[in-house]
Amino acid sequence: GAVVSQHPSWVICKSGTSVKIECRSLDFQATTMFWYRQFPKQSLMLMATSNEGSKATYEQGVEKDKFLINHASLTLSTLTVTSAHPEDSSFYICSARDPAGANVLTFGAGSRLTVL
Amino acid sequence: SQQGEEDPQALSIQEGENATMNCSYKTSINNLQWYRQNSGRGLVHLILIRSNEREKHSGRLRVTLDTSKKSSSLLITASRAADTASYFCATDAHGFQKLVFGTGTRLLVSP
Repeated sequence: GAVVSQHPSWVICKSGTSVKIECRSLDFQATTMFWYRQFPKQSLMLMATSNEGSKATYEQGVEKDKFLINHASLTLSTLTVTSAHPEDSSFYICSARDPAGANVLTFGAGSRLTVL
Repeated sequence: SQQGEEDPQALSIQEGENATMNCSYKTSINNLQWYRQNSGRGLVHLILIRSNEREKHSGRLRVTLDTSKKSSSLLITASRAADTASYFCATDAHGFQKLVFGTGTRLLVSP
């Protein structure tokens, strides 16, 4: 089946630094990828839809200058958390539509970000 | 918010018992899906039911959908300790490409 690889699985950084998370579709092309954020014991909140070759579509309340999304190829989308602060600490998960269709999502394993 | 709600928030059962979790949503949908998330991991798709279907089975999973009540249920029969995870419903609203996830049910199956 379709596989999405997400890296790194965990990262610890200092306040004020930027962190990049990569999301790759390994055996299929993904023109659209989705980035979610999840707080402990809570649901997934969609942050933005990443579109290959064009600007990402951000959900209401998500700072586009804070969470930079780049989808430069059909298999890679990146999320950069800029000038990270402790409140940005969270679990970030990317996903792509399964090429089998019906709007089923295949998820990466997630990246846990801890900002000190 | 379009987010659906699930109940119970947490469910603790013994191996061999059945587990039922419910999902309610707010808008008309194309389909409803259920996903599973092991602790600290990404989500895995379990089953999809279309808006014109009322019931669907996959192995030990049984999903029902009542569009008049805007609700769905997921039944896991003969549960195993390995079924311990969080379960989320997700809806695909008419005209929207994105999925909206429910609040989730944390299932604990004890040996």
